[in-house]
Amino acid sequence: ETGVTQSPTHLIKTRGQQVTLRCSSQSGHNTVSWYQQALGQGPQFIFQYYREEENGRGNFPPRFSGLQFPNYSSELNVNALELDDSALYLCASSNVPGGGQSPLHFGNGTRLTVT
Amino acid sequence: GDSVTQMEGPVTLSEEAFLTINCTYTATGYPSLFWYVQYPGEGLQLLLKATKADDKGSNKGFEATYRKETTSFHLEKGSVQVSDSAVYFCALKGSRGSTLGRLYFGRGTQLTVWP
Repeated sequence: ETGVTQSPTHLIKTRGQQVTLRCSSQSGHNTVSWYQQALGQGPQFIFQYYREEENGRGNFPPRFSGLQFPNYSSELNVNALELDDSALYLCASSNVPGGGQSPLHFGNGTRLTVT
Repeated sequence: GDSVTQMEGPVTLSEEAFLTINCTYTATGYPSLFWYVQYPGEGLQLLLKATKADDKGSNKGFEATYRKETTSFHLEKGSVQVSDSAVYFCALKGSRGSTLGRLYFGRGTQLTVWP
């Protein structure tokens, strides 16, 4: 079975620009969540999608938005980029929406640098 | 709210030394607990998990026991190897209300093992 894949692996953007990051869930997984990991920190929850609907959101402003597609792939969009948005963005999938005790399976992340 | 407090690093050990990385948590309900490992330039890999009190998670020589009375989930390994050098994250998965399904991470502990 294929794991979680993210693209691109690295990205450099300028402050004020917009960016789209992509994620393909692990086969059979219908829930995807996104995390932001700043340098030297633990990942922070951005939001979660189940069956194309957002069903949980962390403490991130509205300029962070997402989509989940019928094939369960997902996008993270960030508008009006700020320098503090520079981080590793991690996508994770699971086959249990919201609850359950199953672990999340993470991709290798997209390293975003905002200059 | 739910949170994880993890031992500050970095931790430097010689090969074959004993490892302990402390982790304590605060949570409502009955969270699941996890240890994830992150190698340089990579995403997060699940190392082990425990889903209820007194469960012991184990993998690759690492162990951690879910202690509800002390709200702890300390990671241990009897004999570390150079290949264990990585950053280790303790995490809990929320089990109630707005925390449902979210992972809360500690700040990570950098482990370096010297030959």
